[in-house]
Amino acid sequence: GQQLNQSPQSMFIQEGEDVSMNCTSSSIFNTWLWYKQDPGEGPVLLIALYKAGELTSNGRLTAQFGITRKDSFLNISASIPSDVGIYFCAGRLPGGSQGNLIFGKGTKLSVKP
Amino acid sequence: KAGVTQTPRYLIKTRGQQVTLSCSPISGHRSVSWYQQTPGQGLQFLFEYFSETQRNKGNFPGRFSGRQFSNSRSEMNVSTLELGDSALYLCASTYQETQYFGPGTRLLVL
Repeated sequence: GQQLNQSPQSMFIQEGEDVSMNCTSSSIFNTWLWYKQDPGEGPVLLIALYKAGELTSNGRLTAQFGITRKDSFLNISASIPSDVGIYFCAGRLPGGSQGNLIFGKGTKLSVKP
Repeated sequence: KAGVTQTPRYLIKTRGQQVTLSCSPISGHRSVSWYQQTPGQGLQFLFEYFSETQRNKGNFPGRFSGRQFSNSRSEMNVSTLELGDSALYLCASTYQETQYFGPGTRLLVL
């Protein structure tokens, strides 16, 4: 099946640092979505991107829909402890139904010891 | 508006049993999707329902089935449970290309 390559798999953050993660695919996507999931909960939508080149912010979070439509990145500026969790990218293929998303494996953010 | 709700939140079953999970989408949302989440495979699409019809189906065996009612509420059923069915089952409702998830049902098969 289709795959989204999300990197890094995990990273440690220190409060105040900026964080960057990305997703790439060999296929073109029409929509990119970024979610955060806390333990025992469902993913919560952070940012939705609908067209190539789109750059969208949500507070300290910024995400971009790559020009080639095969990638997207998420940046978190000035990280805080509550940013800890697992971040997922998700995409919708051209012709795919609205309810069928393909997910990356996730990027786990932890606090530096 | 209330978010997506799922019941039950936790469930323990034994191999060979069957289970039914329930999902109520956000009011006004007509598309409901189901996903299985496991540490090894991540989030995998099970199926999507829209206006009581299955619109799309993932690559899961026929033991996994679902349905949607006229009020958009959805249920999924897994028959003849296997140990590998232990997972977090997530329901999501979709509106204008944006998908919103419920808290999930954690299923443990012993």
